[in-house]
Amino acid sequence: DIQMTQSPSSLSASVGDRVTITCRASQSIRSYLNWYQQRPGKAPKLLIYDASRLQGGVPSRFSGSGSGTDFTVTISSLQPEDFATYYCQQSYSTPLTFGGGTKVEIK
Amino acid sequence: EMQLLESGGGLVQPGGSLRLSCAASGFTFSSYAMSWVRQAPGKGLEWVSSISGSGGSTYYADSVKGRFTISRDSSKNTLYLQMNSLRAEDTAVYYCAKASHLVYDAFDIWGQGTMVTVSS
Repeated sequence: DIQMTQSPSSLSASVGDRVTITCRASQSIRSYLNWYQQRPGKAPKLLIYDASRLQGGVPSRFSGSGSGTDFTVTISSLQPEDFATYYCQQSYSTPLTFGGGTKVEIK
Repeated sequence: EMQLLESGGGLVQPGGSLRLSCAASGFTFSSYAMSWVRQAPGKGLEWVSSISGSGGSTYYADSVKGRFTISRDSSKNTLYLQMNSLRAEDTAVYYCAKASHLVYDAFDIWGQGTMVTVSS
């Protein structure tokens, strides 16, 4: 099974800050990496697919990069609605696996 | 508008069974792989099972293999998850999710989730 490791597990940031979250796969997954945002009590929402492709309707302040085993998602200027938990997920092989999540909190 | 609506969750005793349903609308159901993803209280996301658009291929997490069965009925635009031999560790919110196309694609549409509680 491919293990997905996110870091940090949580972070505190202010509105306007640039935030970067990292995800590492236990083996190469090429670009089969997706990012989701989950607000409390809500279903996850797809932000980025195939490592760097922005899902329709997602603000351009979100961006993704990486390939192989190391990936990042960056929020260029944090907005109040961005305070949430973020998950990476590999879709290279089954079992499909998620990272443990990164909770972005208000400083 | 593409939508998924889960139902069928509830309280069940250990060893019991439950069938979850997910009604799809706003897209050609049979063209897309579908999945179930769960989230235990206060925990992260865990993939449970996926099924191809045709229904001919199914995939399961080891934690549910042999106990859960995924299926779909394209005439009803509905995805199912039959859960047998339920355990306390199956307690979670269960989400159905649509793949952007194939099983190995991102989950681009999610339902609101249905809670399953396994307890005596």
